[in-house]
Amino acid sequence: AQTVTQSQPEMSVQEAETVTLSCTYDTSESDYYLFWYKQPPSRQMILVIRQEAYKQQNATENRFSVNFQKAAKSFSLKISDSQLGDAAMYFCAYRRFSGSARQLTFGSGTQLTVLP
Amino acid sequence: GAGVSQSPSNKVTEKGKDVELRCDPISGHTALYWYRQRLGQGLEFLIYFQGNSAPDKSGLPSDRFSAERTGESVSTLTIQRTQQEDSAVYLCASSLGVVTAGELFFGEGSRLTVL
Repeated sequence: AQTVTQSQPEMSVQEAETVTLSCTYDTSESDYYLFWYKQPPSRQMILVIRQEAYKQQNATENRFSVNFQKAAKSFSLKISDSQLGDAAMYFCAYRRFSGSARQLTFGSGTQLTVLP
Repeated sequence: GAGVSQSPSNKVTEKGKDVELRCDPISGHTALYWYRQRLGQGLEFLIYFQGNSAPDKSGLPSDRFSAERTGESVSTLTIQRTQQEDSAVYLCASSLGVVTAGELFFGEGSRLTVL
């Protein structure tokens, strides 16, 4: 079974600074998807960024980028120029590329605080 | 509507009562998922529906939990004889199905409190 580990329960960053959230996962598969979701106090999960495992290039979405290290099974999220609106719980997630059990498997989350 | 809709937003019930939680997915999404999120924790997978295939119930924690979905529309999660440990936010998500880049779209969840 796949597992996702987020070892940082809480992180804080100064507004306009850069922060990196860590995520590691365990799988025996070669093709899969990885995601970072953001959950603000409203509870709704919002997709931040996605990475296909077969792509070597790291995904980027504006101020958000990932460092995908497939051999190390590491998938960290970098937030540049942090804004107050980035404060939320961030979840790393894994999904199989094909076959059964296509649900997302989530890590335990990292609570990000942005300091003004 | 444009997004995944869940109701009720909040539900308070007494231990031993049955509850039903409803999820209305995005139109055209064939896949539907239920997750449970206990306070301060990550999301636990409960059940997954894909089109007319048999649902994946591997995450249901006990036989008090069940879910139904009619076709590719609304789903209902039922918890019978609720216990205090069932208190959590129940999140529903939908996606386009197996031929997809993998994104799940989530509702805002139903917060269940069992007294």
